[in-house]
Formats: sequence, structure tokens, C-alpha cells
Amino acid sequence: DTGVSQDPRHKITKRGQNVTFRCDPISEHNRLYWYRQTLGQGPEFLTYFQNEAQLEKSRLLSDRFSAERPKGSFSTLEIQRTEQGDSAMYLCASAVLESFLSTDTQYFGPGTRLTVL
Amino acid sequence: DAKTTQPPSMDCAEGRAANLPCNHSTISGNEYVYWYRQIHSQGPQYIIHGLKNNETNEMASLIITEDRKSSTLILPHATLRDTAVYYCIVTVGADGLTFGKGTHLIIQP
Repeated sequence: DTGVSQDPRHKITKRGQNVTFRCDPISEHNRLYWYRQTLGQGPEFLTYFQNEAQLEKSRLLSDRFSAERPKGSFSTLEIQRTEQGDSAMYLCASAVLESFLSTDTQYFGPGTRLTVL
Repeated sequence: DAKTTQPPSMDCAEGRAANLPCNHSTISGNEYVYWYRQIHSQGPQYIIHGLKNNETNEMASLIITEDRKSSTLILPHATLRDTAVYYCIVTVGADGLTFGKGTHLIIQP
């Protein structure tokens, strides 16, 4: 399967613990996006990378959240001192930006479902 | 906020064409119309996108009005596996997508 993969698929943690999620994009996709989705809502954009550079961060991305893409391939999203309100599906998507004059299509992974007790 | 308006839910009989409308009256000239769907507990799945012209692929057809203020996604022969939430999104591309609440399409046997 050459699609976007995410690990783990499910994570249960206690309030106050740190958690880290991993996303492996489609090979050679230079853009990588993180979204969060709570029950009954559409996904909400968090941040994205162009290669290893983090180009945009949503105001939803509080100081407890940090994302990295150190070698321009896989990415990690860490949440420190988790709160019950962090319970959500965390989605990763990747895209290949061919030109700044064209659009790129984002392909999503299966998501990581986080439950904070 | 999402720049699109979609009905919250729709029903369609299995085997019939499902026509999902989307209004995007404030769309800019360089914005594309994208459609994704999300089956329960899975990640969104890309369906189709277009700028001005109608588009067709193996999954669906996209009809965009001449003034580009609305569009319709057509699933030609709906099956039970097409039951999902369908999202219509306008974007210039390359940035984060803004999802609304979408249309919950229920295919009835």
C-alpha cells in the first residue's frame, strides 16, 4: 500500500501525559498536513510542512502542540500535558506541489484516534 | 469558516444517481472546487476537483455552473458503500483545507 500511513491508529492516555503520533506521507510528496477532527465536525487544519519547513500554523495549535518533519519525509505531532479536550481524531494528509501556479490534491491517512481519560 | 453551503443530509436509493449540491457564491477566480468523502471512522477520501469545466473520473462527475457559484457532485449508480459524509471545499490549493459539516448521504437498499 503506497498511501499515507499513521501510527498508532488508536491511543488512550491519561490526562497530563505526553503523546506522539507519526505520519508517513506518500513517497515524494513534499507537502504534509495535520488536521484534527472532533465528533460530528469536519476536520480542522492544524499545520503544514513544505519539505522540512513548517509554513503555517493554525491558532488551534496551542503551545502544547508541536509538529516536526526533520528530514522532509515522515512527520511527528506531539501533544504535551494532554487534556480531555484533546480527545479527537488526528489526521495527516500529503500532497505534491508541482507548481505555485497549480493546485495540489491532498490525500489523507486513516487517522489516529486519541482518547484522553 | 467554510465558504460552502451543503444540505446536512440526503437519501438516495441504491442503483440510482446521487446528486449532491454545493453552494459557493463567494468563490474567487483562482479557487478550485474539491469534493471529499468520509466513511465512518476513516480518513477523508479524495473524489474529484475542478476549476471551471465539468469533470468526470471513475468515481464521480462534477458539474460546475457557468458563474461558478454552485456545483453538483454526481455518483452515477449509488451503492450502499457510498453511504458517507461528503464535503465540498473551495481552495486555491497548497493551503490547509477548510471543511464544513458536509452532507451525510444515506443510500437506501
